[in-house]
Amino acid sequence: EVELVESGGDLVQPGGSLRLSCAASGFTFSNYWMNWIRQAPGKGLEWVAHIKPDGSEKNYVDSVKGRFTISRDNAKSFLYLQMNSLRAEDTAVYYCARDGRILPYWGQGTLVTVSS
Amino acid sequence: DVVMTQTPLSLSVTPGQPASISCRSSQSPLHSDGRTYLDWYMQKPGQPPQLLIYEVSNRFSGVPDRFSGSGSGTDFTLKISRVEAEDVGVYYCLQTIQVPWTFGQGTKVEIK
Repeated sequence: EVELVESGGDLVQPGGSLRLSCAASGFTFSNYWMNWIRQAPGKGLEWVAHIKPDGSEKNYVDSVKGRFTISRDNAKSFLYLQMNSLRAEDTAVYYCARDGRILPYWGQGTLVTVSS
Repeated sequence: DVVMTQTPLSLSVTPGQPASISCRSSQSPLHSDGRTYLDWYMQKPGQPPQLLIYEVSNRFSGVPDRFSGSGSGTDFTLKISRVEAEDVGVYYCLQTIQVPWTFGQGTKVEIK
């Protein structure tokens, strides 16, 4: 059974940093594109970034370019999101999701709150 | 960026009645590989989104057949033939033809 479990969400001050993790199990992690998608409180969904199976291609939404970095460890089946220079508008539940152009599997999400 | 516009933004439906949600994209999600990368997701309160329909009209595994998707070009529709209480939630369309992938604003479906 495919399972994705996010962790690392926390309360952080503006300008601070945080690293999110997504532990994957139940499938061959190294075969799949992986994504981060976020949802601000009471708002809609926003795709944040994705990464190719071998890590050679990464894409980001403009609002996080230069601040966030997506990465993966295929040996450990982990997906990461390093978030720097955090802003209040980055406050959201962050979901990891599996696959390329279709997203059939999602984690339960981890909450990031950026506030002083 | 490709802008996805959903209508209506909210819908109140009597159980057993049909419901329809429209999604219009600012650019066609038709890829050169012949596939149209337009999907529908539903998010129940307090849960992550779940895939309903992929590539316009393909129901994902386990999705009831009362859900159907259609459309072409830049206009797409999600239909629920007979709404049930468990269909309450927010429905989103998503295009994955061009980075950044973009979702519609969401349509909240409530039961009368």
